[in-house]
Amino acid sequence: AQSVAQPEDQVNVAEGNPLTVKCTYSVSGNPYLFWYVQYPNRGLQFLLKYITGDNLVKGSYGFEAEFNKSQTSFHLKKPSALVSDSALYFCAVRDSGGYQKVTFGTGTKLQVIP
Amino acid sequence: DAGVIQSPRHEVTEMGQEVTLRCKPISGHDYLFWYRQTMMRGLELLIYFNNNVPIDDSGMPEDRFSAKMPNASFSTLKIQPSEPRDSAVYFCASSIWDMKETQYFGPGTRLLVL
Repeated sequence: AQSVAQPEDQVNVAEGNPLTVKCTYSVSGNPYLFWYVQYPNRGLQFLLKYITGDNLVKGSYGFEAEFNKSQTSFHLKKPSALVSDSALYFCAVRDSGGYQKVTFGTGTKLQVIP
Repeated sequence: DAGVIQSPRHEVTEMGQEVTLRCKPISGHDYLFWYRQTMMRGLELLIYFNNNVPIDDSGMPEDRFSAKMPNASFSTLKIQPSEPRDSAVYFCASSIWDMKETQYFGPGTRLLVL
């Protein structure tokens, strides 16, 4: 069975500071990993994904994530946070050998403080 | 493209009534997903279709819930009879089978059962 964990319900960061939102996963095979963002009263929007290749993945709005196989992690990062980054962030995983069923984490609320 | 379209955006109904939620996926997408989001349970996958055929409905909570996809451009999620604990935001998402496997989410239907 596949699973994903987001250990922090909320992350607070000052505007201009770097941010990290943590994600760890568990799959039996090779993982496909995703980050989505949800703004208030909106559906989830795709940010970035790791399928294969370079461990550092760059995505929308200046976000990036690093795939670490030994630590089974896929943390989301941004060098300088903006107030407009405040939202709910979801990590998701899918075993590369499975069907198109993706497992989402519980979400981490990011609050960027002006 | 208009993206995934869901209707209605908001629904208020009384316990015992039938509720029908509608979704139009992005043209050309061959996977369709129904999710439910609540504060208590987070984002839950209810059911997903591939080429209009239900593949996995293990997330459907009870027999009161049913979903259909009569053609590639339309799907419904029905709750009959509705109960207050069904109150949630219901999302529809679609994707195409390719290397990206990104899911595109609709804006959601906010359901309140009184």
